[in-house]
Amino acid sequence: NAGVMQNPRHLVRRRGQEARLRCSPMKGHSHVYWYRQLPEEGLKFMVYLQKENIIDESGMPKERFSAEFPKEGPSILRIQQVVRGDSAAYFCASSPLQGSWAVGEQFFGPGTRLTVL
Amino acid sequence: GQQLNQSPQSMFIQEGEDVSMNCTSSSIFNTWLWYKQDPGEGPVLLIALYKAGELTSNGRLTAQFGITRKDSFLNISASIPSDVGIYFCAGLHSGNTGKLIFGQGTTLQVKP
Repeated sequence: NAGVMQNPRHLVRRRGQEARLRCSPMKGHSHVYWYRQLPEEGLKFMVYLQKENIIDESGMPKERFSAEFPKEGPSILRIQQVVRGDSAAYFCASSPLQGSWAVGEQFFGPGTRLTVL
Repeated sequence: GQQLNQSPQSMFIQEGEDVSMNCTSSSIFNTWLWYKQDPGEGPVLLIALYKAGELTSNGRLTAQFGITRKDSFLNISASIPSDVGIYFCAGLHSGNTGKLIFGQGTTLQVKP
């Protein structure tokens, strides 16, 4: 019974490059969330997705950041033209569907630690 | 953005002692969650609370959903060294936004 899987666990990019972070939700979960965590801080919500739909992207920066959850395959968080301020831990979480509402409990993956040189 | 006020920020206790931490908010939440995060890992869900006044236990952990729906607390009884880590509260508003609001975390250190 695999949990939420994220890869890579560590990613190093130079300024201006692109970063792609992948997330596979728990089996049976149809809702995916992305959060960012800076050192010594709590997690900050970025985006909430269902298959092929973005439900809430109120926490996403307006530029350079995008997310998708295709019908097949993992969810992808993409950061274009990375800058040093993008260095952080990025966590993906998933939750099951209960009726037409996502169940409140969110289960987190191990995270991807992005370092921008 | 909205924040939860979590306190204390850090605690250093002796093994066997009880621990208490809490979160408060200026707005109402319909769900409160408590997570523990170890260094280099993702948060692990400890307890989920769905009703005002609800008191829920998970082993030595007990959490309560405040009556006003604006606060929650977590107690750990008889602490052991493996309780070391960062504890986060998180709240969820009504509806299907899925947007968890996290507290700043409580860092717990346990002295054997």
